[in-house]
Amino acid sequence: GQQVMQIPQYQHVQEGEDFTTYCNSSTTLSNIQWYKQRPGGHPVFLIQLVKSGEVKKQKRLTFQFGEAKKNSSLHITATQTTDVGTYFCAGPKQGGSEKLVFGKGTKLTVNP
Amino acid sequence: GAVVSQHPSRVICKSGTSVKIECRSLDFQATTMFWYRQFPKQSLMLMATSNEGSKATYEQGVEKDKFLINHASLTLSTLTVTSAHPEDSSFYICSAKEFSSYNSPLHFGNGTRLTVT
Repeated sequence: GQQVMQIPQYQHVQEGEDFTTYCNSSTTLSNIQWYKQRPGGHPVFLIQLVKSGEVKKQKRLTFQFGEAKKNSSLHITATQTTDVGTYFCAGPKQGGSEKLVFGKGTKLTVNP
Repeated sequence: GAVVSQHPSRVICKSGTSVKIECRSLDFQATTMFWYRQFPKQSLMLMATSNEGSKATYEQGVEKDKFLINHASLTLSTLTVTSAHPEDSSFYICSAKEFSSYNSPLHFGNGTRLTVT
């Protein structure tokens, strides 16, 4: 079945260091979405990428969508303690469904 | 922005009892809502899709008689965990789309942490 994989599962960094999480889909995606879940909280939508090779930036966060539309990455420059949380990527379920298939997430911890 | 409200945020119940969780879209109408379950340190597992005015569709392996879903109106969906057991203890989160399209993002409720003793 369709799978969305994320690596690494955990990442611990010193404040100020960069961080990257990678997302790979077993199928071509029409779009990919990224969500952030703070400890004890619920997932919050960050961004959506639609075009092949698309790159979007939100302040220190850079999101990329691969040329083949099967992989994506989220890069955070100079992490801050406020970046702590689990980052999930998600893509539409095969078959044109409104459902989303989520990756397992990357849990980021930042040491001040 | 689109807001989804979920109630209660925490509930503790005894084994064998039933628990109802409400999910409301506060400032938009949602013909479809999604119910997820999240185990500790794990990802979001889609349980079922709640459809206004019709039966919910359940993902493979999810017992429809145990997790009753009712989408009574365009702004309210409820999940009832019937005859709860300790293994049902989990974090349940509902979500909805403000716009009904395949690439519209999900807006999540705050989640309900269920503990069955």
